[in-house]
Amino acid sequence: GAVVSQHPSWVICKSGTSVKIECRSLDFQATTMFWYRQFPKQSLMLMATSNEGSKATYEQGVEKDKFLINHASLTLSTLTVTSAHPEDSSFYICSARPLWGETQYFGPGTRLLVL
Amino acid sequence: QKEVEQDPGPLSVPEGAIVSLNCTYSNSAFQYFMWYRQYSRKGPELLMYTYSSGNKEDGRFTAQVDKSSKYISLFIRDSQPSDSATYLCAMSARPLQGGSEKLVFGKGTKLTVNP
Repeated sequence: GAVVSQHPSWVICKSGTSVKIECRSLDFQATTMFWYRQFPKQSLMLMATSNEGSKATYEQGVEKDKFLINHASLTLSTLTVTSAHPEDSSFYICSARPLWGETQYFGPGTRLLVL
Repeated sequence: QKEVEQDPGPLSVPEGAIVSLNCTYSNSAFQYFMWYRQYSRKGPELLMYTYSSGNKEDGRFTAQVDKSSKYISLFIRDSQPSDSATYLCAMSARPLQGGSEKLVFGKGTKLTVNP
């Protein structure tokens, strides 16, 4: 149980395009989903927290107009990287916290490469 | 001082060795402690979750929490090559209001178990 999926697993795009990443909790409902970013050999950095049906809360230094988050249902959250640039290339990981629990379960991550 | 300190390693041990991984923290509000295992290019996988001082055992893994010293450990007995991964400690404080709980991660310790 407690499986989280992400799609796509990797994406290559041209600079200036927008990329959407989906995060789904497959066998549980999640009131809260989190989006992280991880650079090589670095730990996870929380970008934003999203609650179903409400606006996401962004961490300091994260541009909300660049990283659009939509949490449309209890099982789906999306992260859209708008007008992506090479410096946005990173490993993006989502996590979801079940209604019944206190910890988070992570997706497998999405590797984004912006050329 | 960072909220969570974790020696990044790398740590290299022979198969069958006992591995000790550690984190220290400065925020006494942290009440929930987790250990995640992350294989290369994958999302973190929850290994252990505890919220009280003392030991918690699960198979070859033992999590230890000492709140008085603000120190947590993960022990791996009879280590296997398949245990080779990066191990991340994470912790959170109970929120003042109901809602999202932010996890604060250590940088991760890269472990290699040699056959």
